[in-house]
Amino acid sequence: DGGITQSPKYLFRKEGQNVTLSCEQNLNHDAMYWYRQDPGQGLRLIYYSQIVNDFQKGDIAEGYSVSREKKESFPLTVTSAQKNPTAFYLCASTRERSYGYTFGSGTRLTVV
Amino acid sequence: GNSVTQMEGPVTLSEEAFLTINCTYTATGYPSLFWYVQYPGEGLQLLLKATKADDKGSNKGFEATYRKETTSFHLEKGSVQVSDSAVYFCALSDVTAGGTSYGKLTFGQGTILTVHP
Repeated sequence: DGGITQSPKYLFRKEGQNVTLSCEQNLNHDAMYWYRQDPGQGLRLIYYSQIVNDFQKGDIAEGYSVSREKKESFPLTVTSAQKNPTAFYLCASTRERSYGYTFGSGTRLTVV
Repeated sequence: GNSVTQMEGPVTLSEEAFLTINCTYTATGYPSLFWYVQYPGEGLQLLLKATKADDKGSNKGFEATYRKETTSFHLEKGSVQVSDSAVYFCALSDVTAGGTSYGKLTFGQGTILTVHP
């Protein structure tokens, strides 16, 4: 079955470390997105990409970086510059805006 | 910019009660509108959608009508079940500045629904 796979499901980061969250899709979708979810704040857009080798900043890109070397993959790196990285991170993809977005099951990142 | 406002929760209902979760939006142009549902510890699942004014999206007994005159997309269900307990998100998708067909989703803050037997 087609879908989006996020890994790992849980991730622990020490202060000052960079960590990378994986997002892979086999839906043949062109556009991919990273959202951050905090309690009571809904979802906020970090980065998005509509084509390979191109991506744009969302509303809260500071302290994050991405790459899009393959259509299927859109990894997110949470850098040490992100001061409050503890959150639930969701990856999504779509083939067209009226179609709707498919979400992965999320990665919960905790700073220890 | 685009924005979505949902009624504040949490919403607590008894099984078989009628559900309404209000959603209003601000956007330029003609956005597509969505309701997503999130169960504990999981990602979001698309519940229903509407792509133009007066469209009604429906799925699993849930309905929502795209009302452009009131900029609203309220979610309703006639008889809720315990299994409907989840967080519900209203969202809109608009075209990017580049005019591509992919857009960006803007979410409301989510409404927690708890249904008791």
